[in-house]
Amino acid sequence: DVKVTQSSRYLVKRTGEKVFLECVQDMDHENMFWYRQDPGLGLRLIYFSYDVKMKEKGDIPEGYSVSREKKERFSLILESASTNQTSMYLCASSFLAWGSYEQYFGPGTRLTVT
Amino acid sequence: QKEVEQDPGPLSVPEGAIVSLNCTYSNSAFQYFMWYRQYSRKGPELLMYTYSSGNKEDGRFTAQVDKSSKYISLFIRDSQPSDSATYLCAMTRSARQLTFGSGTQLTVLP
Repeated sequence: DVKVTQSSRYLVKRTGEKVFLECVQDMDHENMFWYRQDPGLGLRLIYFSYDVKMKEKGDIPEGYSVSREKKERFSLILESASTNQTSMYLCASSFLAWGSYEQYFGPGTRLTVT
Repeated sequence: QKEVEQDPGPLSVPEGAIVSLNCTYSNSAFQYFMWYRQYSRKGPELLMYTYSSGNKEDGRFTAQVDKSSKYISLFIRDSQPSDSATYLCAMTRSARQLTFGSGTQLTVLP
């Protein structure tokens, strides 16, 4: 059974703080993704990675950075949290092979920035 | 304009009803079409996928893709309270990056 875990379910941070969101998958997937989910906007891709130490910007990378030092772990970093980054953050993983459209999601981290 | 448009609902139906969920899209390069289901306080999970145009059936669920109209649908027959969730359409041309709709919240009343 594929398992994608996220370090926290709920997080409250203050404006200007540095925030780390951690994601771990146990299926040896090459691809890993970070999304944010907001009402009316759906899932928007922040960053993704298809290999260790590789990263590519998604649709909304501004204000975020990522780190992938090990295949199973993908971290999202908010360098200086702002109130407009209050959102649900979802991590996902998938195989690299062509046609691997199925992404496996973690339960999400609800981040509130005050 | 968003690449993928989906009516957010909410949609409320009685148990046993047929449910129709729809998305339209603008990018003709999309080839793979998916429906994800997301229960409250959970991450989305893949429900069905279709490659290119056509129909696909899986139990009470049928996915339809009409590439000429850039329109995809998910039908749920004999809907159950356990089908209450948010349904997200998703599509891709490369199988690496998915583009999601905003999701339709469905409630099936017992």
